[in-house]
Amino acid sequence: AQSVTQLGSHVSVSEGALVLLRCNYSSSVPPYLFWYVQYPNQGLQLLLKYTTGATLVKGITGFEAELKKSETSFHLTKPSAHMSDAAEYFCAVSALSGGYQKVTFGIGTKLQVIP
Amino acid sequence: GAGVSQSPSNKVTEKGKDVELRCDPISGHTALYWYRQSLGQGLEFLIYFQGNSAPDKSGLPSDRFSAERTGGSVSTLTIQRTQQEDSAVYLCASSLIAFGRGGTDTQYFGPGTRLTVL
Repeated sequence: AQSVTQLGSHVSVSEGALVLLRCNYSSSVPPYLFWYVQYPNQGLQLLLKYTTGATLVKGITGFEAELKKSETSFHLTKPSAHMSDAAEYFCAVSALSGGYQKVTFGIGTKLQVIP
Repeated sequence: GAGVSQSPSNKVTEKGKDVELRCDPISGHTALYWYRQSLGQGLEFLIYFQGNSAPDKSGLPSDRFSAERTGGSVSTLTIQRTQQEDSAVYLCASSLIAFGRGGTDTQYFGPGTRLTVL
């Protein structure tokens, strides 16, 4: 069984401020972890992913996420928010379940960037 | 090649009618997923196909919902006797994955079909 929890369905930050979007997961087997972004009126697109190896993963547009196994967290961060970062962000976990890769998404966090 | 495509992009129907939503995955992608995105509900998993078979139908909300995939490619999601609570954006995604093996599982999403049931 696996699950994803995104803390905070809405997050507001000022332009130039740090962005921190929280994601905690549970999985009975080592998972793959993903962050997807959905801009207004667009489909989801992959932002970054962790499969194996380095636990600090860098994605597009300056975002990065660090896997902390002891905390079962995969929080998404960006040092300085831009107006263009306003979007909805989804954390997802993928792990073998019943013989195939099962993917579970979090409920999403809407990021608002205030000028 | 082309990304995941879905049709129609918008569908307005009357309560009680049947609707069919279509998904064309990326060529060569063996895994195909259907999700429903409702306002304030996040991304709700509906069904997963590996090739033409559906190992996981656990997310289908009722027996009014069904899906099929033929030729390991195009998939159709059918909703019978639509209800107003079926109104949502229906998203399709595909990924390149080997059955039972760990793949990178990056899902490529289509633009979605916005269904409105009056």
